[in-house]
Amino acid sequence: ETGVTQTPRHLVMGMTNKKSLKCEQHLGHNAMYWYKQSAKKPLELMFVYSLEERVENNSVPSRFSPECPNSSHLFLHLHTLQPEDSALYLCASSPDRSSGNTIYFGEGSWLTVV
Amino acid sequence: GEDVEQSLFLSVREGDSSVINCTYTDSSSTYLYWYKQEPGAGLQLLTYIFSNMDMKQDQRLTVLLNKKDKHLSLRIADTQTGDSAIYFCAESSNSGGYNKLIFGAGTRLAVHP
Repeated sequence: ETGVTQTPRHLVMGMTNKKSLKCEQHLGHNAMYWYKQSAKKPLELMFVYSLEERVENNSVPSRFSPECPNSSHLFLHLHTLQPEDSALYLCASSPDRSSGNTIYFGEGSWLTVV
Repeated sequence: GEDVEQSLFLSVREGDSSVINCTYTDSSSTYLYWYKQEPGAGLQLLTYIFSNMDMKQDQRLTVLLNKKDKHLSLRIADTQTGDSAIYFCAESSNSGGYNKLIFGAGTRLAVHP
């Protein structure tokens, strides 16, 4: 248990569906992250939020829409995804955005797009 | 640019030592990390080392850092079947005023009897 909880753990969705991934951290951290892990590529940073402000959008297609309503919660809204978007989506948090602060990961949400 | 490279596979016998190697490119990285991922799970932080250190030991784990060659290694002593997993090396980058990790592709460690 890392203190970062992701739901759902598994999600199957059609290409026309709209769904959301949820992440909650119980560590009092100020920065939260979305990473994508697929079989074809190393871990890719998607978004970074620091104090609820998005500080990086790493060239992610607009069909992925993040939301950070407060420093404890992070969402990834999914809309009209493609089969190649099937992957493990990992949420992470760190105390703040400064260098050297350890990043803690959740268990991930396995997404399959059919 | 930033890049982290690792060998993809390592197979060891139970009880032997495992050494997983990693090279990185960002000489300004303040911290370097090792994460472990078991099947179906997220990433678990194993250990990390500050860039001004050469070595860090934590029970069965030994991290060696050669900053000149930008080479990082993780040694697992007395490797057990429970150590079978994918091990990710990561360097920290503070560009843009926030911390992010650049990961290698991961080394799959297989422990056999």
